[in-house]
Amino acid sequence: GQNIDQPTEMTATEGAIVQINCTYQTSGFNGLFWYQQHAGEAPTFLSYNVLDGLEEKGRFSSFLSRSKGYSYLLLKELQMKDSASYLCAYMDSNYQLIWGAGTKLIIKP
Amino acid sequence: DTGVSQDPRHKITKRGQNVTFRCDPISEHNRLYWYRQTLGQGPEFLTYFQNEAQLEKSRLLSDRFSAERPKGSFSTLEIQRTEQGDSAMYLCGTKGGAYAYEQYFGPGTRLTVT
Repeated sequence: GQNIDQPTEMTATEGAIVQINCTYQTSGFNGLFWYQQHAGEAPTFLSYNVLDGLEEKGRFSSFLSRSKGYSYLLLKELQMKDSASYLCAYMDSNYQLIWGAGTKLIIKP
Repeated sequence: DTGVSQDPRHKITKRGQNVTFRCDPISEHNRLYWYRQTLGQGPEFLTYFQNEAQLEKSRLLSDRFSAERPKGSFSTLEIQRTEQGDSAMYLCGTKGGAYAYEQYFGPGTRLTVT
């Protein structure tokens, strides 16, 4: 089946750190993706995890635990331009992306 | 700019009319996906192509929807007899093959059915 969940909305302060969680349940798994999507625009790729652990890329890091069906995206030193929706998606056994509904991140000064 | 283009960017049509959208992928990408996204939701898979072959269609894709990729390059998505429920952003995503992991998205076509 297809089941993937993430919080609907989060608020954080400029300069702070925020962690966006994602949980999923699937019988076939070929990796976990995070995309950023600004309002009215297409999603842009942020990260891909297929093995357990933390992947760091500048201010953004992504973590995966396959046994727990859990991932998070960590954003450090938040900037106003980070205000966007963050989409979690897993790739299933057919190499199709199954998407969460997205987490709207609001950054306050 | 991801290298994937979509046309038109916006389309307003009256209920019952037919509409057609186009996606031009990155040239070496042989996999092309169509998604529909409504406000506050993630993209929903509609269909995908491997070169010119349409390999899978979602149950979401009613008989009013048809997609083609005649030469394995650009693709078109047609909606016949549009309904208000078809109002959404239609996204095209492409990637370099089944095992390539990153999918690149075009800017989308926003359809409004009045």
